[in-house]
Formats: sequence, C-alpha cells, structure tokens
Amino acid sequence: NAGVTQTPKFRILKIGQSMTLQCTQDMNHNYMYWYRQDPGMGLKLIYYSVGAGITDKGEVPNGYNVSRSTTEDFPLRLELAAPSQTSVYFCASSYSSTETGANVLTFGAGSRLTVL
Amino acid sequence: QQQVKQSPQSLIVQKGGISIINCAYENTAFDYFPWYQQFPGKGPALLIAIRPDVSEKKEGRFTISFNKSAKQFSLHIMDSQPGDSATYFCAARMAGQGNLIFGKGTKLSVKP
Repeated sequence: NAGVTQTPKFRILKIGQSMTLQCTQDMNHNYMYWYRQDPGMGLKLIYYSVGAGITDKGEVPNGYNVSRSTTEDFPLRLELAAPSQTSVYFCASSYSSTETGANVLTFGAGSRLTVL
Repeated sequence: QQQVKQSPQSLIVQKGGISIINCAYENTAFDYFPWYQQFPGKGPALLIAIRPDVSEKKEGRFTISFNKSAKQFSLHIMDSQPGDSATYFCAARMAGQGNLIFGKGTKLSVKP
C-alpha cells in the first residue's frame, strides 16, 4: 500500500516553462487536494477535488490548473512558471469530508519546485 | 474568518519537559481540529485530532486541550523527546467541507 505518491521529488524550471506535478493515491479516497508550503506560511490550498470529474479552487489557485479524470490521479499543472511559484507542493487525499472526525488527510512526500 | 492563528513560531524545550503549542480561530463553523506533525523532507502526518464537543483528548504523551468559548486549542507534549523535534501544524475544518485550513506551523526542537 503506497498511499499518496508524488513525482517528481525535485524540479528546477526556468521562468515561463510549463510542467505537471503528478499525484496518485491507492486508497480509493474520493477527496484529493493540492497544497503549497512556503517557509513560515503553513500550507495553503491550491485546488481540491471531491471526486472524478469535479474540481474546485482553493485559497491560492492563480497560475495553476488541475484535472481529475480518475479516482486515483490528480495532476497539478503549472502553465507559465514564475519565481513566486517556487515552493514545496504537497498532494493529499481523504476518504470523507462529511463524517465528523473522519477527515484524515494523508499527504505525499512533497515535490520541491524552484523557478529561476 | 477562515484563519487559524498558531503560536509560537519556534520552540526549544529540554528533554523531559513539556512542549505547548497554541492555536486560535474565529469561525464557529469549524467542526474538526487536527494536529499534524512534519519531519524534514516528509509530508505532514496526522498526530491527534479533536471535535469541539470534547474539551480534552489524550493519546500517549500528546494531549489536545480545547476551549470552545475562547475559540482556542492547544497541543501539549509531555516528557518531550529529541525524536519529537519536528514542525507541528494545527488545522481546522469547516463543517461540510473536506479541506483543512492550517496554521503557520511551530518548529519544535527538543534538546538532549
């Protein structure tokens, strides 16, 4: 049972380049999320999905896009990389949002992105 | 208000001491309050969580104290160990939603 798998672990991009961060979970979770973590700023939600075919914006969606064609996969796309997108990106998944106390987010190991 | 305010930003504790991290919130629609632990180079992992109808929850050396009227909750780590050195995040979930709103984190260092 791998949990939440993110690739790549590290990537350096030039300004204006595009790339996709991959996220796969094998726990059959219906909810998936992308957060970014910046030093001293905690984790901020970029996008989330409540199931295949359904996505919604979080707190900081500008400059990013997502898709959810399957339950397992939730890729994050950066179209025109900017230095402000230098960050550590975490994908997470959870089974349920409506059961009180049952919303355990399982995180991946993170993808460190640097835009130069 | 969606914010969760966490303090202190960093904390140094001697081995065997008590580590205390505090969080405060404004929105009374939050219905779930977890704490996450993150080691360097790893993703956050759930440590312990509490619902607002409970004032305290204890799991081993880790205790959450919850004050609903003050809209505050705190994490207490008893008998702190060097292996507890990590960044701790408090979080809150809006009722009916899945995503968590995180505090800015506390970097805990436990000195031998």
